[in-house]
This record gives sequence, C-alpha cells and structure tokens, in this order.
Amino acid sequence: QITLKESGPTLVKPTQTLTLTCTFSGFSLSTSGVGVGWIRQPPGKALEWLALIYWNDDKRYSPSLKSRLTITKDTSKNQVVLTMTNMDPVDTATYYCAHSGTISQYSNWGQGTLVTVSS
Amino acid sequence: DVVMTQSPLSLPVTLGQPASISCRSSQSLVYSDGNTYLNWFQQRPGQSPRRLIYKVSNRDSGVPDRFSGSGSGTDFTLKISRVEAEDVGVYYCMQGTHWPHTFGGGTKVEIK
Repeated sequence: QITLKESGPTLVKPTQTLTLTCTFSGFSLSTSGVGVGWIRQPPGKALEWLALIYWNDDKRYSPSLKSRLTITKDTSKNQVVLTMTNMDPVDTATYYCAHSGTISQYSNWGQGTLVTVSS
Repeated sequence: DVVMTQSPLSLPVTLGQPASISCRSSQSLVYSDGNTYLNWFQQRPGQSPRRLIYKVSNRDSGVPDRFSGSGSGTDFTLKISRVEAEDVGVYYCMQGTHWPHTFGGGTKVEIK
C-alpha cells in the first residue's frame, strides 16, 4: 500500500524559505521508473504542478517557479524535500506530494499541508 | 506550456442523470512512445485529489464503472453515466506528456 505524507511549517513570513518534506512508504525511489512530484492548490483555486524528481535523480521544474524551487531525495529515508525561496503571500496554498512514475502518473497523493505566508 | 482548457466550469446534474466534462489541450498529447498521458482526477470537498482515469481511458482500481474516459490528440472527455451523490466535487484533467505537466482549471460537479 502506497502512502505519502507532507510535513513542514504551517506559517512562513514573506521572503523566507519554505522547506517541505514528503515521507512515503510502499515504494522505493531507487526503483527504475519511480518518481515523486509536488503540486499546490491556493485556497479555492485549481491545482498547479510544481516539480518532480525521478529515481535516477532527473529533476523537472515549473518554468515559472524554477528559479525558486529545489527538489531533492533521500532514498534511505524514503523522503523527498521541496524548498521554495522568497515566499510571498500569493504562495499561500495546500502543498501536495504524489507518487508518479514514468508510466503511471500521480497515482497516489498525500493529504496535503496548508502553508500560509503572512507577516 | 501546454494549456489545458476544461468546460464547463460548473455542471449541475440531477441524480441518476449522465454528466460529461470536456478537456482540450493546446498541443497533441501523444508521446513519442505512442502513449497519450492524459489523466483525470476527482477532488471531493475537503479531500486530496484522487486519480480516476489514466492514459485517456484506463480506470483506476476501485473507480466505479460509471466513470469513463475517451478522446485522442487534443480533445478528451470524462463521462459519468449516472451521477450519484458521492460524485460531487471538482474534476481536473492533467497532461503528463509535455514538461511542465499541466492541469485544467477544473469542473465543479454539483447536484441540482
């Protein structure tokens, strides 16, 4: 059974750096074809794709946010970390991580974590 | 970026009646391996998104067979043959063929 859970601060100040951790079970990021992605959703708005990392350390980013995002993995801990610099109130959203392979995409999602950006 | 355009924005449906959601992409979603990476997600109120359909028409395990996906190239459809109360929520299409992956704006299904 695949499960994912996001963790991190619920409140960050403008200009600060956000660090979110996705801890998962039921699969390994050392298995060929496996990846973990991040998606966010501002309150009452649509889903927005952010980034994805594959088993071979191939990393993909949203072009509009690429300069602010970094995605990394720790295979031994079954974790993927997303950092986003220079946070702004418009970055207030629920942030989700999801299991996504090269063939089967975004098949399982975490519960999401709401991050509010406010001074 | 590939733009995913969904219609309608809102879909009031009578219980037991069919519903249909359209999703159009600004480019063909056929990948070089021959697959079309078009997914459909359901997001019930207060819940995380759940994948219903992958690669245009493949239903995920546990998804009722009243849900079906169809289409090709740039034009895709999600159909619910008979809407039930538990189907209320927002439905999103998403393309995973081109980088960056992109979502449609969502269609809100509600009961009349």
